[in-house]
This record gives sequence, structure tokens and C-alpha cells, in this order.
Amino acid sequence: GGIITQTPKFLIGQEGQKLTLKCQQNFNHDTMYWYRQDSGKGLRLIYYSITENDLQKGDLSEGYDASREKKSSFSLTVTSAQKNEMAVFLCASSTGGNTEVFFGKGTRLTVV
Amino acid sequence: GDSVTQTEGLVTLTEGLPVMLNCTYQTIYSNPFLFWYVQHLNESPRLLLKSFTDNKRTEHQGFHATLHKSSSSFHLQKSSAQLSDSALYYCALSDRHMGYKLTFGTGTSLLVDP
Repeated sequence: GGIITQTPKFLIGQEGQKLTLKCQQNFNHDTMYWYRQDSGKGLRLIYYSITENDLQKGDLSEGYDASREKKSSFSLTVTSAQKNEMAVFLCASSTGGNTEVFFGKGTRLTVV
Repeated sequence: GDSVTQTEGLVTLTEGLPVMLNCTYQTIYSNPFLFWYVQHLNESPRLLLKSFTDNKRTEHQGFHATLHKSSSSFHLQKSSAQLSDSALYYCALSDRHMGYKLTFGTGTSLLVDP
């Protein structure tokens, strides 16, 4: 088995601040994802990466940047935090294709 | 683009009664993959079951679903609800032509009462 580690677990930022969320996986998976989870809105894809050095925009990419530094790590940057951005951000990974996606425990973002 | 529509909000039922959570999808491609993920309180979502075969029932942990391409549906069912089934359930869609991007519905909360 493997594990997906997201840091930090809780992130408090100020409005307008640039904030970075990190994700590491030891599954040796090729594909990694960043989802935002809001109550009543489900899981919305922000960015994903099919392989190292690849980056694909999801449906919610505006206001975010992402970086796949190496196969095991995928970071997400909120370029200018807004109060309506308070949510849980979930990192996930898979071997690619239509295989099972595994999720991390999430980073809860609060903007003050 | 692809989209998934689920039974909205909260479904409450009594232990022992059957469960049915609706999921319909939209895609222009003919070979989608459909998934159900379950998220218990304070946990991460995890895969419950998946299918890409038309009209074939797939089962796992007492739950079952059948992909019907004719009606673009993949409803989740269980014959008898248990208290431990209380969770948030997500239906999701993926397709090779969309680069295997996994698109989720808004989720359905299931609450099973004793």
C-alpha cells in the first residue's frame, strides 16, 4: 500500500495572500490531482498531472497555479486568497487511465 | 464537457430499508467509465465500485450498480441499509478522450437511522 501526505492540515491565510499547499505520495503513481471540496458542490478538479512535468487545467483552475516538481510531489498555489475560497483541498493520485484514485486527508483553508 | 448529476442533498432512511442513490451523466463519448466513491465523516473519499460495461451489474460491500448507457445512468443500490452506510456518496465519470479527467457529481449524503 501507500499513502498520500498533505501539508499543512490546516492553513490560515489573509485575504490577498499567496498560499501554497503541498502533497507527497509514495504509491509511485504517475497521475496526481488537486480537488476542491465545498459542501453542496462536490469535488471540483483544479489541476491534474498525468506524469512528471505534465500539467493540465481542471474546471476550477482560475486563481490557482500548480507544480509537479517530481513524480512523488504535486503542489498547489492559491495566487491571491479570497474569503470565498474557504474549503478543503484534496490531493489524489492514481496509476492513470481509469484506475482507482486514492485521496489524501486534505488541507482545510481558512481565509481571514 | 462531461457532467454528473446526483440525487441532491440529504437522503434519510431507516435501517433495513433499501437504498437507491441516483446518478446520471452527460458525455459526448461512447465509452465512459463510471465510479462511486464513499466518504465517511472525517475520512477521505475512497472507491466503492466502478464500471465501464453496459448493462452489467457490479457489486462491492453489499452495494451494486449497473451502467445503462441508453439512459446514461449508474444508480447505486443496496437491499438493506446499515447504520454504518451513513456517509457522503459521490458518483464520478471518466473517459479516455478527456484524458481520464475524473469528474465528480455534487455528492449525496446518506443518513441511516436506527
